[in-house]
Formats: sequence, structure tokens, C-alpha cells
Amino acid sequence: SQQGEEDPQALSIQEGENATMNCSYKTSINNLQWYRQNSGRGLVHLILIRSNEREKHSGRLRVTLDTSKKSSSLLITASRAADTASYFCATAVSNDYKLSFGAGTTVTVRA
Amino acid sequence: SAVISQKPSRDICQRGTSLTIQCQVDSQVTMMFWYRQQPGQSLTLIATANQGSEATYESGFVIDKFPISRPNLTFSTLTVSNMSPEDSSIYLCSVEREGPGGWDTQYFGPGTRLTVL
Repeated sequence: SQQGEEDPQALSIQEGENATMNCSYKTSINNLQWYRQNSGRGLVHLILIRSNEREKHSGRLRVTLDTSKKSSSLLITASRAADTASYFCATAVSNDYKLSFGAGTTVTVRA
Repeated sequence: SAVISQKPSRDICQRGTSLTIQCQVDSQVTMMFWYRQQPGQSLTLIATANQGSEATYESGFVIDKFPISRPNLTFSTLTVSNMSPEDSSIYLCSVEREGPGGWDTQYFGPGTRLTVL
């Protein structure tokens, strides 16, 4: 069953603006991973953040994790048309590597 | 990262038939995973495939419907048996490998888009 819930379900922004999406989960986790999916294709791994970490950066991406609130956020700064995609969070509860995915946020970046 | 390929990339099949999806990884991995993504939905884990042992299926998925093979450390197949339109989905394989985030980063193949008529 899906552990994560994401909001918003959909997001439309202007090119150059920032996009923020949130992920909440129900049980304690080992790590949380963010993925991007373009038009129903394969998933591209963006960032992994561990339960003992609070923030990570990768290029224009910033991920935060608040284990007390069981939530994470993904910020995309200075968005581009190529950022148009669905974004999923996925949690690993234990060391068996299984991922439980959130429902995803669909981001549309308008030129 | 990992280079993962899947075959076929897409297929249209008739009800009652079976389709075998192949997943090839560019180097040896211990565990491979198979996920299903139904139209407009998120991903759901079908099973974990370890080389040399039976696959472990998640609740709601059974071996008779989704038999899995794992003959070596770089290859796995998933068969969707006796298909119905409800099986129309994207099927993705994944592996865990060391990545920028650490040793348990999980990478996904490009997916197989299946349509059952």
C-alpha cells in the first residue's frame, strides 16, 4: 500500500518561478527518495535523503525532511519548461530496499 | 548510476494471452524489483527478485499471475499471464545501487507500456 501522500496533486507555474511540492508519510523511514517521470516513461532518480538528514541540495533541487512531522518537501528553483513532469516521493521503511510511493505531483512549467 | 534496459518498450496484447518482459542491468546486482504503474496512478511494488531464490510477492500479487525468473545477477523477467484489460499498465524494473545519495539508491528501467484489448 502507498505510504506517501503528496500535495498538491498538480502545479502550474511560469518559467523562472519556483515549484514546491510536499510529501507526507505514515511510519518511520530509513530514507526518502524523490523521482521525476516524464510522460509515463521511466523514473529518473533525483535525490535520496536519509532519516538523520534534514536538507540536501542537487543543482536547482532542494529537499528537506522533517521526521517529527513525517514530511518532506522538494523545491525546484528557477523552473524550466524541461521540468514539466510528474514528481514522486518514495519511502524505504527498512533495509529491505522496498519503496512505497506517493501519489505524485504533476508539474507544468509554462513558457 | 545504473544502466537498465527493458524489452519490449511497449506492446498491445489480446485478452487471455501472456507477455514476458525482460530487464537487463549493466552490472551485477543482488536484488531486482518489479513495479506496476496503472494509468494515472503511482507505482506499486509487485515483487522482489533475488538470484537463486523464489521471488517474494507483495500483498495482492501472486506467482501464478506474475511469474518471475532471475537466472543470473544481471537479468530478470516478469510474465503477465492470462491478461485482461485491467492489466494495462506500465511495468518497471528497478535495482538498488550505490549512487550520489548512498549505497541504497534505487534506479529504474524505462518501463514497458502494456495495453490489453
